[in-house]
Amino acid sequence: NAGVTQTPKFRVLKTGQSMTLLCAQDMNHEYMYWYRQDPGMGLRLIHYSVGEGTTAKGEVPDGYNVSRLKKQNFLLGLESAAPSQTSVYFCASSLSGSAHEQFFGPGTRLTVL
Amino acid sequence: AQSVTQPDIHITVSEGASLELRCNYSYGATPYLFWYVQSPGQGLQLLLKYFSGDTLVQGIKGFEAEFKRSQSSFNLRKPSVHWSDAAEYFCAVSKAGTALIFGKGTTLSVSS
Repeated sequence: NAGVTQTPKFRVLKTGQSMTLLCAQDMNHEYMYWYRQDPGMGLRLIHYSVGEGTTAKGEVPDGYNVSRLKKQNFLLGLESAAPSQTSVYFCASSLSGSAHEQFFGPGTRLTVL
Repeated sequence: AQSVTQPDIHITVSEGASLELRCNYSYGATPYLFWYVQSPGQGLQLLLKYFSGDTLVQGIKGFEAEFKRSQSSFNLRKPSVHWSDAAEYFCAVSKAGTALIFGKGTTLSVSS
C-alpha cells in the first residue's frame, strides 16, 4: 500500500516550458487535491477533485490545469511555466470531504528559471 | 471567510520542556480542525483532529490539542519535547465540503 505518490520528485524548467505532475493514490479515495507550498505562506489549494471526471478551482488556480480521468490519478499541468510557479507541490487525497483526513504525497520541488 | 492564524513563526524549546503552539481560526460554524506536522523534505502527516465532542483531543507522538470555542483557538501541546519533534507544524480548518485552509506554519527547533 503505497498511499499517495508523486512523479517527479524534482524538476527544473525554463520559462515558457510545459510539464505535467502526476499524483497517484491506491486508497480508493474520492477526493484529491493539489497544493503549493511557498516559504512563509503555508499550503495553498490550487485545484481539487471530488470524484473521477470532476475538477474545481481552489485558491490559486491561475496558470494551472488539472485532469482526473481515472479515480486513482490526478494530474497537474503547467502550460507555460513562469518563475512565480517555482514552489513545492503537494498532492493529497481523502475518502470524502471536510470530515476526513487528507493523506499527502512527498512533494515535487519545481524550479522555473 | 475562513482563515487560520498561527501567531508564532518560529519557536525554540529545550529538549524535555513543554510545548504549546498557538492556532486561532475564523469560521462561521463549528469547524473541523486539524494539526499536521512536516519534517524537513517530507510531506505532511496528521497529528490530530477535532470534529465534535470532547474538546481535548489526543493525537500521535504524545501530542494533544484543546478546542476553545470562546477563544476561537485550537492550541497544540506536548508535555515533554524530544529532539525528533523539530519540524514545521500546520494548523488547518476544513472548509465545508472541500479542502483545507492552512495556517502559515510554526517552525519548532529543539535545543539540547
